[in-house]
Amino acid sequence: QKEVEQDPGPLSVPEGAIVSLNCTYSNSAFQYFMWYRQYSRKGPELLMYTYSSGNKEDGRFTAQVDKSSKYISLFIRDSQPSDSATYLCAMSANTNAGKSTFGDGTTLTVKP
Amino acid sequence: DAGITQSPRHKVTETGTPVTLRCHQTENHRYMYWYRQDPGHGLRLIHYSYGVKDTDKGEVSDGYSVSRSKTEDFLLTLESATSSQTSVYFCAISEPGGSTDTQYFGPGTRLTVL
Repeated sequence: QKEVEQDPGPLSVPEGAIVSLNCTYSNSAFQYFMWYRQYSRKGPELLMYTYSSGNKEDGRFTAQVDKSSKYISLFIRDSQPSDSATYLCAMSANTNAGKSTFGDGTTLTVKP
Repeated sequence: DAGITQSPRHKVTETGTPVTLRCHQTENHRYMYWYRQDPGHGLRLIHYSYGVKDTDKGEVSDGYSVSRSKTEDFLLTLESATSSQTSVYFCAISEPGGSTDTQYFGPGTRLTVL
């Protein structure tokens, strides 16, 4: 069983919809939680970073971490066609991002 | 984009041939990483480097070697390529410090081993 499981998708929504992307994990040592966005044929880019449990908001994006349930989410409000990409969750036990364990990614398409 | 380039961007090679992929950065970041990305497996760490001539193995290092003789360059070598090494390879860089050392990824190299 993988340490990090991510809803596989693909996910297709109309423009303006609220999108929910989710990951579960099994390693209770994870304390740092990241969401990356990856456009087609590009490298991933860090979108959101959260330490421990709680919520973090950045514009239309909200990251939630529930360590008691070992569950993290990324919400996108007022989704735009430019949000169409693959979203990867990642998590690590320490600040060394290179030791992160990644989910497989969820591909999102936002239709105009 | 962070100053990371990868070369070549695309390569087709045959089983048994050696292949070297290059990652070059202009950010002077200390840490460099090589990942492979495959459907159903996400991103998996192959090797990483914490400084010049300071490298270590990642999760899927078998069949790969690395070298870092300069801060700006990190080479990934497949000594004898196999079809299972067909993948997209990403280089990443980071600089430790702060609440987390953010990773910046290169554009990727698409490798096909026939």
